[in-house]
Amino acid sequence: SAVISQKPSRDICQRGTSLTIQCQVDSQVTMMFWYRQQPGQSLTLIATANQGSEATYESGFVIDKFPISRPNLTFSTLTVSNMSPEDSSIYLCSVAEVRSKYEQYFGPGTRLTVT
Amino acid sequence: QKEVEQDPGPLSVPEGAIVSLNCTYSNSAFQYFMWYRQYSRKGPELLMYTYSSGNKEDGRFTAQVDKSSKYISLFIRDSQPSDSATYLCAMSAQAGGYQKVTFGTGTKLQVIP
Repeated sequence: SAVISQKPSRDICQRGTSLTIQCQVDSQVTMMFWYRQQPGQSLTLIATANQGSEATYESGFVIDKFPISRPNLTFSTLTVSNMSPEDSSIYLCSVAEVRSKYEQYFGPGTRLTVT
Repeated sequence: QKEVEQDPGPLSVPEGAIVSLNCTYSNSAFQYFMWYRQYSRKGPELLMYTYSSGNKEDGRFTAQVDKSSKYISLFIRDSQPSDSATYLCAMSAQAGGYQKVTFGTGTKLQVIP
């Protein structure tokens, strides 16, 4: 199984600033996903990031607010822009291979608090 | 109405008890059903995976799917303190880890020694 690390593990940021979250995988993977996990709410997919193409965003999420980069097959970043307290959440990246029958592997998450 | 409903708990049980965790869903297109376990400060990890209706057993864990009722369950036998975690049900319409997965909110389980 893939081993995924995220940086930072947690951060406290001020309203109006931006934070870039990094996701590093120990092997090359085709698909990378970014999720948001808010208290009391389900894990929500923000976007799918494939290397060499633009990220695909889910309904309710836009590129200006959550720009994503995927420069290679082992790395991706998610930026949370112009933050507000409503962006306080855990952000998780996950990976999957096209050949993977059913499993996504998740990183440990980045706990973001916006004050 | 949410596509997937899951009681958030918390559910507190004594060690050795049988635990029943449940989810209901509304989208009849869902055919693939998963249970993820998430320890505190960690990402979710896949615990069980089933296709369509029926039961699947893996050690102390049994996953059950009733598509006619749009209801899925995870049973944990002889629960241990190490089972204390949040359990997320998840489902998708198509096979493949790269397919879009819809998650429940998670049920927090505490097994008391």
